[in-house]
Amino acid sequence: DAKTTQPPSMDCAEGRAANLPCNHSTISGNEYVYWYRQIHSQGPQYIIHGLKNNETNEMASLIITEDRKSSTLILPHATLRDTAVYYCIVSGAGGTSYGKLTFGQGTILTVHP
Amino acid sequence: NAGVTQTPKFQVLKTGQSMTLQCAQDMNHNSMYWYRQDPGMGLRLIYYSASEGTTDKGEVPNGYNVSRLNKREFSLRLESAAPSQTSVYFCASSGAANQPQHFGDGTRLSIL
Repeated sequence: DAKTTQPPSMDCAEGRAANLPCNHSTISGNEYVYWYRQIHSQGPQYIIHGLKNNETNEMASLIITEDRKSSTLILPHATLRDTAVYYCIVSGAGGTSYGKLTFGQGTILTVHP
Repeated sequence: NAGVTQTPKFQVLKTGQSMTLQCAQDMNHNSMYWYRQDPGMGLRLIYYSASEGTTDKGEVPNGYNVSRLNKREFSLRLESAAPSQTSVYFCASSGAANQPQHFGDGTRLSIL
């Protein structure tokens, strides 16, 4: 599985956009980029995923570079409830990487008033 | 909407005791997963079941067994608990391998 690199922590002001970067330079052609977050000690919550195109849903937007070696998760209007650990994960759909999510250390996002 | 339900939520065991963690999902998902999370670390995959009737080892399977009882239920068993298995255990399910996984609230297990 491709590994990811994320900054250990980031801050964001409430109401502003939070842009969380992720590097995945060894991603292969059939691997997706997933973003999850974990608030306190709750179970991880799925946010968004994509293969090569940019994606948007009610929670966030995902921007994937053309070479697919990096991506950015955008929370357009961060709130205090968005304070969490954010995980960027690369996972394939077949072979030995079947559906496996490898969680790294993630980015601790702190949203402050 | 229940989603993924894990029982129990908390458990304390003595070294050498056995226990089964239960997980059930009501989303008609094909795939189910068991993870553990140690303090300050990300989740690690213990076992997964791609579909009913199949199970496979993940990253840290030693000391655990699993049973995919039916499409809804996937249990994790510790035959002889050890202090190193003190952790928070999360169950997850997904429709297929390239679809998002949905997680339960976890079981907090302490082994003395």
